[in-house]
Amino acid sequence: DTAVSQTPKYLVTQMGNDKSIKCEQNLGHDTMYWYKQDSKKFLKIMFSYNNKELIINETVPNRFSPKSPDKAHLNLHINSLELGDSAVYFCASSPTTGTYGYTFGSGTRLTVV
Amino acid sequence: DQQVKQNSPSLSVQEGRISILNCDYTNSMFDYFLWYKKYPAEGPTFLISISSIKDKNEDGRFTVFLNKSAKHLSLHIVPSQPGDSAVYFCAARGAQKLVFGQGTRLTINP
Repeated sequence: DTAVSQTPKYLVTQMGNDKSIKCEQNLGHDTMYWYKQDSKKFLKIMFSYNNKELIINETVPNRFSPKSPDKAHLNLHINSLELGDSAVYFCASSPTTGTYGYTFGSGTRLTVV
Repeated sequence: DQQVKQNSPSLSVQEGRISILNCDYTNSMFDYFLWYKKYPAEGPTFLISISSIKDKNEDGRFTVFLNKSAKHLSLHIVPSQPGDSAVYFCAARGAQKLVFGQGTRLTINP
């Protein structure tokens, strides 16, 4: 009965490939986010969507394209993967934009070789 | 530029003693500050928060202190228990998003 679920949990892929990470929340929240935990361990926001509308795009390379088919789903597609994309990606949701009660998924560890 | 920083990557505390985790920020426009706790292979979970108009918030064994003039907040856990061993992230709310620090790994020793 997971509140925010991400798949896959682990992803190992070669440079140049295209991959997707899926996220679903069953909390009825309006806002969803993607965060990246970088090599220095900071959790940095990449995108946020409110009810399928893009709210934040935090200077992320355009190889990263979020897709929100409905307010319960926010998927992340990455084209032409690079070594520097290796990180842990966390999906999160909150009741509305600006509220701070985020619920996080368990993360997807992406390794680009 | 990292607006929220946790300068101690790790902290080791004996069970029963007080754990103090620190966080510094640079943006005076942040209006809420939070602590999240993260176990391995799980996502961060919300622990406690404080509004920028307060200087202290307490919830059971957890107390967060905010010093706005110093742009500093701290999380006190007393008494520390083995289950408190985790990574703790400080976060601040501003511009429709949470800005996180890099986390401090707390280890509680029996």
